Amino acid sequence: AQKITQTQPGMFVQEKEAVTLDCTYDTSDPSYGLFWYKQPSSGEMIFLIYQGSYDQQNATEGRYSLNFQKARKSANLVISASQLGDSAMYFCAMRERAYNTDKLIFGTGTRLQVFP
Amino acid sequence: DGGITQSPKYLFRKEGQNVTLSCEQNLNHDAMYWYRQDPGQGLRLIYYSQIVNDFQKGDIAEGYSVSREKKESFPLTVTSAQKNPTAFYLCASSPTTSGRLEQFFGPGTRLTVL
Repeated sequence: AQKITQTQPGMFVQEKEAVTLDCTYDTSDPSYGLFWYKQPSSGEMIFLIYQGSYDQQNATEGRYSLNFQKARKSANLVISASQLGDSAMYFCAMRERAYNTDKLIFGTGTRLQVFP
Repeated sequence: DGGITQSPKYLFRKEGQNVTLSCEQNLNHDAMYWYRQDPGQGLRLIYYSQIVNDFQKGDIAEGYSVSREKKESFPLTVTSAQKNPTAFYLCASSPTTSGRLEQFFGPGTRLTVL
């Protein structure tokens, strides 16, 4: 069963508008972490934001915020005031603990295109 | 500056040849990881290592091998047994002590089999 689901293969947004990228996850572990990474065309994965399962408040990092709804098992990324440089692939990932090791499970990604 | 370096950026190989991808980090992280990315897909874990001289298979280890002789280095060998090696390979590292245990990634190596 897929543990991280990103249902939007592609999204378009106009510059300066906000956009939400969806992510749902599946785990039975009460302790987990959720990450969002950005991958520009150069290929490098850039960390954006993190949400721990026990965190009381939704995470925010500058223009990025994470809409964490634990009961619905969703961790949507909200980008406010989109910029042309935000055009990239975005991946949601979940930290999973197995055999005393933390591993990341990635979704298939959403390609965001920002237009003027 | 601390970070992760991968070399080479682009690599071409003939079928039947083994090839080794380099990954070095100076972040003093204990854990290192290798991922494979195919077009339109997320990252899949090949191998990971928590400490020197120890490593574990990930989800798609067949046809790959690794070593961890030094904390800073985690080279990946793509062997001739890997049936479809053309892909983008990413190396990552993370601390293993408490915290969010975020993984830091290198710039990647794009491998093409001719």
